[in-house]
Amino acid sequence: AQTVTQSQPEMSVQEAETVTLSCTYDTSESDYYLFWYKQPPSRQMILVIRQEAYKQQNATENRFSVNFQKAAKSFSLKISDSQLGDAAMYFCAYRSGDTLAGSYQLTFGKGTKLSVIP
Amino acid sequence: DVKVTQSSRYLVKRTGEKVFLECVQDMDHENMFWYRQDPGLGLRLIYFSYDVKMKEKGDIPEGYSVSREKKERFSLILESASTNQTSMYLCASSLEREYGELFFGEGSRLTVL
Repeated sequence: AQTVTQSQPEMSVQEAETVTLSCTYDTSESDYYLFWYKQPPSRQMILVIRQEAYKQQNATENRFSVNFQKAAKSFSLKISDSQLGDAAMYFCAYRSGDTLAGSYQLTFGKGTKLSVIP
Repeated sequence: DVKVTQSSRYLVKRTGEKVFLECVQDMDHENMFWYRQDPGLGLRLIYFSYDVKMKEKGDIPEGYSVSREKKERFSLILESASTNQTSMYLCASSLEREYGELFFGEGSRLTVL
């Protein structure tokens, strides 16, 4: 079974600074997807960014980018120019690339709580 | 926009009661999921469904059952609630194809006394 590890339960960053959240995963598969989800306080979880394992180029979405190291099984999230609205729980997640029906569930890490200091 | 609606944001139940958590999505998604979220444990999959009347156990199905009679609706049932089922429950849905992005509801916080 795949496992996802987020080693930083909590982190903080000054507004306008850059922060990196760590995620490692364990899998024997070569085809898979990785995700970062954001859960603001008392609000629903939303997708921040995703990465397909077959793509070498790191994904980028505005101020959010990832550092995907397939050999090291590492998938970190970098938030640039941090804003107060970035304060949230961040979850790293893994999904198998197996396209058989019923294989679309995600495995989540335990989360990192990010605080943004004004 | 995709909308996933969970019927109750907050519930308080007593030990032994039968509890129904309802989830409805409006985007014709094939897959639906129930996760449980606890501090320090992250999200753990209880059950999922990839088609009407189809269900699969997740990582922690004990004490739970599910029902999917219609494509848009996925219900989580606690046959006899216990205090260790006090938690936040998250429903999500996704398309069968593509990379399977999950769309989440706002969550149902259940307290069992």
